[in-house]
Amino acid sequence: EPEVTQTPSHQVTQMGQEVILRCVPISNHLYFYWYRQILGQKVEFLVSFYNNEISEKSEIFDDQFSVERPDGSNFTLKIRSTKLEDSAMYFCASRNNEQFFGPGTRLTVL
Amino acid sequence: GQNIDQPTEMTATEGAIVQINCTYQTSGFNGLFWYQQHAGEAPTFLSYNVLDGLEEKGRFSSFLSRSKGYSYLLLKELQMKDSASYLCAVRDGETGANNLFFGTGTRLTVIP
Repeated sequence: EPEVTQTPSHQVTQMGQEVILRCVPISNHLYFYWYRQILGQKVEFLVSFYNNEISEKSEIFDDQFSVERPDGSNFTLKIRSTKLEDSAMYFCASRNNEQFFGPGTRLTVL
Repeated sequence: GQNIDQPTEMTATEGAIVQINCTYQTSGFNGLFWYQQHAGEAPTFLSYNVLDGLEEKGRFSSFLSRSKGYSYLLLKELQMKDSASYLCAVRDGETGANNLFFGTGTRLTVIP
């Protein structure tokens, strides 16, 4: 059964460093998403992506964040200068109808 | 905007039935989803309602009333492995991408 994959599973970084989180959506899906979940809190929408451009972004998705689909398979989330409060699980999702979530990347900012 | 409410925690006995309620307010409703999430893992899809009524899927059923902004997830014949968080999510149809907006989740504990 096709699935969304994400790498790495766990990323530890120093405050102020750049990180890139990678996702491979399900191959025939057209819509891609990033969500985050701070420990013990709800899943929060960050950004949606369709037809090679951002469809919508939340207030969380400020100038420090960017997304890219550099080739036909990868979908990346970049955080330019990480802050302590960026520590969270980051989930990628893709869909045609229902959304399927990847296993997540746990980002720890020290 | 979106406002989604569900109880924080529930406890139920193995073999029993439990109902998890969700109320929502949204400007562009385009479907309601239930996801299961075990600690440290990704949400996994359980059910989807866009029209009023009951959708049944094995031990899991989900109900929707759009006029009341209300849904519930019904779990029958509870098993210990059903201990998890259950996330109610509303799909926003105002944007073409149909983003999901999640409630805080209901942590269900199944006891022997």
